[in-house]
Amino acid sequence: DQQVKQNSPSLSVQEGRISILNCDYTNSMFDYFLWYKKYPAEGPTFLISISSIKDKNEDGRFTVFLNKSAKHLSLHIVPSQPGDSAVYFCAATRGNNRKLIWGLGTSLAVNP
Amino acid sequence: NAGVMQNPRHLVRRRGQEARLRCSPMKGHSHVYWYRQLPEEGLKFMVYLQKENIIDESGMPKERFSAEFPKEGPSILRIQQVVRGDSAAYFCASSMGSNQPQHFGDGTRLSIL
Repeated sequence: DQQVKQNSPSLSVQEGRISILNCDYTNSMFDYFLWYKKYPAEGPTFLISISSIKDKNEDGRFTVFLNKSAKHLSLHIVPSQPGDSAVYFCAATRGNNRKLIWGLGTSLAVNP
Repeated sequence: NAGVMQNPRHLVRRRGQEARLRCSPMKGHSHVYWYRQLPEEGLKFMVYLQKENIIDESGMPKERFSAEFPKEGPSILRIQQVVRGDSAAYFCASSMGSNQPQHFGDGTRLSIL
């Protein structure tokens, strides 16, 4: 039972354009969402997070949007750079426990 | 600039042996989480610990697996009598508090012969 879903296994974008990565969730109790980037043979690197009391959070080139009614969030990267090429994971959690429930990831390729 | 440190990076064991995976959290972090990534799968939560306490072990297999985070020293994930199905990447994360982002180490890749 996949509670966090990333339906696009891969995405290819031209350098300088916008990358949009999507994530859907099924558990309405989730109240905190995070995006991580992962390179091969390394651990996930935290990028940006959003609480369910907000619908947008921005940090430099990265913006996360949350649509609670649709149980959908997205990560926008503008402008995309070749160094952004990695696997991006969406994760969600609820309550004080904070164990992360993960999507399966989207592999982003930014072409020069 | 010490992030989360995991060792060893690679560990090879024969079936029936014990595997010990170590995790030193970031300085100032008292919350530790262990996750496992099986081949071709996503990360799955195993256990959440604070100093000397297991807060949530709902993701731990019922047998052979144990975890600790002692008052002094690193957190240890211990797997007894390993089997082929234990082959995976094991990631440790730490956070300053339960409502803070988790920061990950580079993992231990466990291979069972």
